[in-house]
Amino acid sequence: GAVVSQHPSRVICKSGTSVKIECRSLDFQATTMFWYRQFPKQSLMLMATSNEGSKATYEQGVEKDKFLINHASLTLSTLTVTSAHPEDSSFYICSARFRGDTDTQYFGPGTRLTVL
Amino acid sequence: AQSVTQLGSHVSVSEGALVLLRCNYSSSVPPYLFWYVQYPNQGLQLLLKYTSAATLVKGINGFEAEFKKSETSFHLTKPSAHMSDAAEYFCAVSGEDMRFGAGTRLTVKP
Repeated sequence: GAVVSQHPSRVICKSGTSVKIECRSLDFQATTMFWYRQFPKQSLMLMATSNEGSKATYEQGVEKDKFLINHASLTLSTLTVTSAHPEDSSFYICSARFRGDTDTQYFGPGTRLTVL
Repeated sequence: AQSVTQLGSHVSVSEGALVLLRCNYSSSVPPYLFWYVQYPNQGLQLLLKYTSAATLVKGINGFEAEFKKSETSFHLTKPSAHMSDAAEYFCAVSGEDMRFGAGTRLTVKP
């Protein structure tokens, strides 16, 4: 099946620093990648959608200057949390879909961000 | 707009018992429907998906789901629960993007 990886799996950082999370599709070229945020015991909240080579589309209420998304290639998307604060602590999950199976999203294992 | 509603935030069954997790959808067009499972501190794993080929969809780990248009439902079942099935289960509908239900936590008692 389609495999998506995320790195790092866990990160702890100090308030005010920036953190980059990578999302890679390992065995397919992802036409679209998605970034979600999940709070404890809650469902996934879509943050943004990114297509390779174009700017990401952010959901209402998500600050694009705070959550920078880059989708530079068909296999890599990055999410950078800039000037992180404790309220940014969360579980971030990416997903990807590919041409030929455009209705299905394949998810990465998630990244646990803790901001001290 | 498409949406799904999962009935019951928490379901508890005994090992070996039938598992039934409920999902109802709302869609103005024929939907693509999915069930995903999430284990603690992990991403979502695709269990199965409905794409209009067959109303009864078989997935991994012995799970299956039946698409019922008349009831706008896509309930997930497994005949016999195993301890390893304990996890969070999400129903989702796909359109321009994917909309998830609130999730159902399945607990399996020994």
